[in-house]
Amino acid sequence: NAGVMQNPRHLVRRRGQEARLRCSPMKGHSHVYWYRQLPEEGLKFMVYLQKENIIDESGMPKERFSAEFPKEGPSILRIQQVVRGDSAAYFCASSQGNEKLFFGSGTQLSVL
Amino acid sequence: GQNIDQPTEMTATEGAIVQINCTYQTSGFNGLFWYQQHAGEAPTFLSYNVLDGLEEKGRFSSFLSRSKGYSYLLLKELQMKDSASYLCAVRRNTGFQKLVFGTGTRLLVSP
Repeated sequence: NAGVMQNPRHLVRRRGQEARLRCSPMKGHSHVYWYRQLPEEGLKFMVYLQKENIIDESGMPKERFSAEFPKEGPSILRIQQVVRGDSAAYFCASSQGNEKLFFGSGTQLSVL
Repeated sequence: GQNIDQPTEMTATEGAIVQINCTYQTSGFNGLFWYQQHAGEAPTFLSYNVLDGLEEKGRFSSFLSRSKGYSYLLLKELQMKDSASYLCAVRRNTGFQKLVFGTGTRLLVSP
């Protein structure tokens, strides 16, 4: 039973480019969360999605960031026109209902 | 607002016992989680407390006092592989897993 799968593990982008981060939840999980971890800081909640619905995006910057979890396929976190401050580890987690979170190994985004 | 405090770093010796403390201030408290995170890897679930008291699971135990806004993670019979960051996280009464994490405690276990 595969865990939460994220790809790519490492992503390098130049300022102004777009970054797309993918997350496939654990089998049977319909709840997906995205968290961001900056160096020396804790994980920060960004967005919570269920299939085809954004439930809570209160932690996501209003501009340049968007997330989706389509009926088919992985959840996507999209960052447009990346800036150096977007460099961080982005973790996806999934759960079944209100149970504990299972995290993926994260995508390390580096913006040059 | 919400505030979670835990020590930045701790060191201990193989075979010893270590206690990692976490204090929190939040409204609508609905549970406290401990996660372990090795460098460059996914956080993995260790424990969950929602009622006061001690939860024991093998070498790891977690304690919660809701009235004091305090929890600790107790690791016994430390092994080298226990060197990792330990993350304390609080869930509010939102009905889902929107957790607020502390900055984590980096534990170094030496021989």
